[in-house]
Amino acid sequence: DTEVTQTPKHLVMGMTNKKSLKCEQHMGHRAMYWYKQKAKKPPELMFVYSYEKLSINESVPSRFSPECPNSSLLNLHLHALQPEDSALYLCASSPGQGAGADTQYFGPGTRLTVL
Amino acid sequence: ELKVEQNPLFLSMQEGKNYTIYCNYSTTSDRLYWYRQDPGKSLESLFVLLSNGAVKQEGRLMASLDTKARLSTLHITAAVHDLSATYFCAVDMDSNYQLIWGAGTKLIIKP
Repeated sequence: DTEVTQTPKHLVMGMTNKKSLKCEQHMGHRAMYWYKQKAKKPPELMFVYSYEKLSINESVPSRFSPECPNSSLLNLHLHALQPEDSALYLCASSPGQGAGADTQYFGPGTRLTVL
Repeated sequence: ELKVEQNPLFLSMQEGKNYTIYCNYSTTSDRLYWYRQDPGKSLESLFVLLSNGAVKQEGRLMASLDTKARLSTLHITAAVHDLSATYFCAVDMDSNYQLIWGAGTKLIIKP
């Protein structure tokens, strides 16, 4: 199984809502990532979990809260978002074994619209 | 600060033609990745290049890496419409899980 899955595919939320994005992989990868991608731009790294511990937080506003319940699951909790947070949110995973290629495999993404 | 520059940023070409996308990066790195993204879709891993002189080929796409020149190329041979997409290169920043991404090259191949 070489797939990263994400739910939901689309999400529309108001600025006062609380919602969560979910990501799952069963490749035994030990690193998982959240990215935000705006149209016509490369993805921007938000968070990295390595061996279920948060290792990178790229100065993301606190209205985004990541969670890694276990080595296969990654959540992104959303609260009080702004319209400018509308974007494609991508989850990725990589083997995280250190030396050697550490290709990141991306899920299909969640298209988020904040009204 | 590691910077990655791709060129061209936009390329429109006819089917059957050959062309090359360039990816320059500013500091030493031995791992470079190429990804493809179709409109509204996610990123698909194409190639990972691990050492100087590395060359990888898949179908009509061939990628190479020159670490001394800090340059990678993605060569398209006899382009077909299905290769229309945005192509990103990304450089590994000292194996700390962070990739530095190029701006992407939007490739349109006309039948």
